Amino acid sequence: ELKVEQNPLFLSMQEGKNYTIYCNYSTTSDRLYWYRQDPGKSLESLFVLLSNGAVKQEGRLMASLDTKARLSTLHITAAVHDLSATYFCAVAGSSNYKLTFGKGTLLTVNP
Amino acid sequence: GAGVSQSPSNKVTEKGKDVELRCDPISGHTALYWYRQSLGQGLEFLIYFQGNSAPDKSGLPSDRFSAERTGGSVSTLTIQRTQQEDSAVYLCASSLEPSGANVLTFGAGSRLTVL
Repeated sequence: ELKVEQNPLFLSMQEGKNYTIYCNYSTTSDRLYWYRQDPGKSLESLFVLLSNGAVKQEGRLMASLDTKARLSTLHITAAVHDLSATYFCAVAGSSNYKLTFGKGTLLTVNP
Repeated sequence: GAGVSQSPSNKVTEKGKDVELRCDPISGHTALYWYRQSLGQGLEFLIYFQGNSAPDKSGLPSDRFSAERTGGSVSTLTIQRTQQEDSAVYLCASSLEPSGANVLTFGAGSRLTVL
């Protein structure tokens, strides 16, 4: 059974600081997704990483994938308040359609 | 449509009643998924449709849960004899097809509260 672990689950940081969210998964996969969820809203796709060494960047967020280590990271650079949300990683297992989600990281960026 | 539409957005029901939740996927998306989001369990896969067929129902928690999809479009998730533990947000998602990048687009969800 595929297991996905995120850490930390809660992250409070100051504006302007950098931090990294980690996503570990238990079985081989070459597709990993990062989603953002604002309170009361649905999930918004941020990144899809399809191969070992893949790196994607959008604004202050950068995601990477190491399939050998079964690890993805979401790096936040110079955080701003608008980045406050819950971030989920999700991994596609042997069946292409089924995603297993981590429990999410609640990020709060304080002025 | 422009996005995945779900209705109702909120549903409060009494224990033992049946509920139906509706999902209207993005036009042209052949794959449709139901997930459940609850505080204790995070996001759980319920069922996957490819067209009108459901090749994977493995996530449905019990036989009180069923889903169908008609015309390769709208899907309905039905929960019979609701229990308090069914309280959660039920999310529907669709994708163009379950291959390649297969990025899922999620709807806003239906929040179910069972009293």
